[in-house]
Amino acid sequence: SQQGEEDPQALSIQEGENATMNCSYKTSINNLQWYRQNSGRGLVHLILIRSNEREKHSGRLRVTLDTSKKSSSLLITASRAADTASYFCATVGNTGTASKLTFGTGTRLQVTL
Amino acid sequence: NAGVMQNPRHLVRRRGQEARLRCSPMKGHSHVYWYRQLPEEGLKFMVYLQKENIIDESGMPKERFSAEFPKEGPSILRIQQVVRGDSAAYFCASSPGQHQPQHFGDGTRLSIL
Repeated sequence: SQQGEEDPQALSIQEGENATMNCSYKTSINNLQWYRQNSGRGLVHLILIRSNEREKHSGRLRVTLDTSKKSSSLLITASRAADTASYFCATVGNTGTASKLTFGTGTRLQVTL
Repeated sequence: NAGVMQNPRHLVRRRGQEARLRCSPMKGHSHVYWYRQLPEEGLKFMVYLQKENIIDESGMPKERFSAEFPKEGPSILRIQQVVRGDSAAYFCASSPGQHQPQHFGDGTRLSIL
């Protein structure tokens, strides 16, 4: 079964607004990663946050991690039409195979002009 | 620096035929992962390989599916006697080591007639 669940499933905003996506997971993790997928393409890695980190920034992206609540959020500030894509969180666990990613169900973001 | 290369991009097979999907990892990456994505869903882990070794195949169906990553050449995901339910996008990813961000190819879209 999927490790993560994301909400909202779909989000529509106007250019310039901020977009916030949330991800919840079930088991202990080594790290959590966010990926973007444009229609018909592969996934592009955005940011990785380790289990001992609480917040991380990369350009217009801000990721938070709350291991006590087993949740993470991705904030995209000052959104652009080019940010339109599906966004997935993925976790790497502490048990079993250390490297495999377990993906959430994704949030489809639509940014309109 | 070429990214992860997958071919073919699209593959059509009739029920009962074999499908062979190829993946060349990024230069310097010795860890390869295969994932499957059904429409409107997140990716699901299938198998994790390092050169000549299968590290984790917990996501692979027990029958008809196999994967290899030989010393020379690309990684191959092989599906024998395909059925309609095998229709999906198959993504390959590579990384230089464990706990490192994975770089994805653009996928092979498999359609079964």
